Amino acid sequence: GQSLEQPSEVTAVEGAIVQINCTYQTSGFYGLSWYQQHDGGAPTFLSYNALDGLEETGRFSSFLSRSDSYGYLLLQELQMKDSASYFCAVKDGSARQLTFGSGTQLTVLP
Amino acid sequence: DVKVTQSSRYLVKRTGEKVFLECVQDMDHENMFWYRQDPGLGLRLIYFSYDVKMKEKGDIPEGYSVSREKKERFSLILESASTNQTSMYLCASRDREVYEQYFGPGTRLTVT
Repeated sequence: GQSLEQPSEVTAVEGAIVQINCTYQTSGFYGLSWYQQHDGGAPTFLSYNALDGLEETGRFSSFLSRSDSYGYLLLQELQMKDSASYFCAVKDGSARQLTFGSGTQLTVLP
Repeated sequence: DVKVTQSSRYLVKRTGEKVFLECVQDMDHENMFWYRQDPGLGLRLIYFSYDVKMKEKGDIPEGYSVSREKKERFSLILESASTNQTSMYLCASRDREVYEQYFGPGTRLTVT
């Protein structure tokens, strides 16, 4: 089976940098994804890491360390609109489905 | 733009009713998924389908069934709704070799 752990809540101020961590246990790791979900909205894809290292997409970056079974999502220059829930998800190489973490509620304060 | 649509945004049903939740995607994706989302529990997979007429149980299939007669449509069925099935239900689709999953807007189901 697979399990993921991420903090339930993170609070930061506008303009700051925040890091949301995700640790996972899986029998056959294939890749780590991140999704964003605003209140009342559908989850939307942010990033995917299959290899170790940092992937940057604008203000958002995602990092993976396969040896540590650990990844994080880094949000820079925080804006109020970044207030949302963020989910990490893993795909087992042998499986067709993703397993999601329980989500981190990010609150950005003015 | 990939579009995943769900038949209802809000639904109220009575205990014991048979409930159908419909999901349609327009990108010819092989894989389709049904999740339920409850506070503090994240997204839990109910069932998924990787081809027409094919289905596999997810983590919490009890009390649910699914149907996929056409590639674009994936239905979730609650045979006899119960109050503990009150939840947000999310449908998603994904192409076979791709990791990006597309979600529908969700159906908030209340069973009274």
